[in-house]
Amino acid sequence: GESVGLHLPTLSVQEGDNSIINCAYSNSASDYFIWYKQESGKGPQFIIDIRSNMDKRQGQRVTVLLNKTVKHLSLQIAATQPGDSAVYFCAENFPVGGFKTIFGAGTRLFVKA
Amino acid sequence: DTEVTQTPKHLVMGMTNKKSLKCEQHMGHRAMYWYKQKAKKPPELMFVYSYEKLSINESVPSRFSPECPNSSLLNLHLHALQPEDSALYLCASSQDGAGWEKLFFGSGTQLSVL
Repeated sequence: GESVGLHLPTLSVQEGDNSIINCAYSNSASDYFIWYKQESGKGPQFIIDIRSNMDKRQGQRVTVLLNKTVKHLSLQIAATQPGDSAVYFCAENFPVGGFKTIFGAGTRLFVKA
Repeated sequence: DTEVTQTPKHLVMGMTNKKSLKCEQHMGHRAMYWYKQKAKKPPELMFVYSYEKLSINESVPSRFSPECPNSSLLNLHLHALQPEDSALYLCASSQDGAGWEKLFFGSGTQLSVL
């Protein structure tokens, strides 16, 4: 049978719809958060970031929301396109000696044409 | 130039071999990182260098030995690896490791240990 953790959470959306990807972070001392997109055969690529003194930040077609009370981040992608199909990771950055960037579990986004 | 270049792209090695992974960036960044990524998992931090000094070692086994010869280059020396070390090894760089910095990643080296 399947083992827990072998499969990424998956979100399937229709082309043109909006996508929302959620993430829970773990460290209350984290003060900077980043969303990365990873396509097959490539390294993670920066999408958008937000500092802990903000609760919302908008980019081109993407918006990040931060709720520090419940340690939750979300990534909203407007008018999702086939090229948005990828694995999306949230990452938190916190000081410990130097600064660490630690990645969350990831969500696979499928866009149906 | 906003690229981080990793070589080789693929590597197969036996458990008694010694090999090295290489990473190069020319963005003037002063912080460089090694991450390990297993299939369907997030990248896991291994090492952080800031201004050519090792600042973070995430309790990585000594069979992995990082080296930062200068601010543009980062190596990962491999010796006596185990099959469970098979993974995608990602290099990244950032401005100076002082916080609030996005990371720029290479495409990785896919390592298979037989």
